[in-house]
Amino acid sequence: GAGVSQSPSNKVTEKGKDVELRCDPISGHTALYWYRQRLGQGLEFLIYFQGNSAPDKSGLPSDRFSAERTGESVSTLTIQRTQQEDSAVYLCASSLVTNSNQPQHFGDGTRLSIL
Amino acid sequence: SQQGEEDPQALSIQEGENATMNCSYKTSINNLQWYRQNSGRGLVHLILIRSNEREKHSGRLRVTLDTSKKSSSLLITASRAADTASYFCATDAYSGGGADGLTFGKGTHLIIQP
Repeated sequence: GAGVSQSPSNKVTEKGKDVELRCDPISGHTALYWYRQRLGQGLEFLIYFQGNSAPDKSGLPSDRFSAERTGESVSTLTIQRTQQEDSAVYLCASSLVTNSNQPQHFGDGTRLSIL
Repeated sequence: SQQGEEDPQALSIQEGENATMNCSYKTSINNLQWYRQNSGRGLVHLILIRSNEREKHSGRLRVTLDTSKKSSSLLITASRAADTASYFCATDAYSGGGADGLTFGKGTHLIIQP
């Protein structure tokens, strides 16, 4: 079966532009998570979705970041007016349920470079 | 701030030797997980140990958890070149039933020399 799919795999854009990152979770997984990983660092939690519940946005670093999810499928992470500090790998993960005893399954990420 | 902190930051050993990585955390947890990340790839779940467990095995992996010291260790026995990767511990800070993303450390970069 297919794993978590993210697109694009790489994105280079100019400072000030908006970018949209996409995540297709594993079919049937109700929980979806976005993380940011700066070079040589661990993962920084951004936001998670559970089914149709309102997302927990507590980890979003600024109001330039937003995310949406349609039902229990695709999610998009949007960064408006990008800054150089936004350069990082953005990783998406999904799990069967929002239960901390469930492992999270990760995509390969989108490598975002802001010029 | 980082909940988990791994050490060492980098570890280089010969193929066939055992590799041990440690993780310390700060707050109470429900469980602790270890993940592996190959260069340019996403994270792969290795093993989960619950807060009421002290040791767990999976193939060549052995994980221990000491909640009194808020620490965990990951042992990889009989290492192989394919084990070269970064290894992260991740914790779920107990939040009274709410679910949050995992909190990751900065990882240990393991290099297995052939």
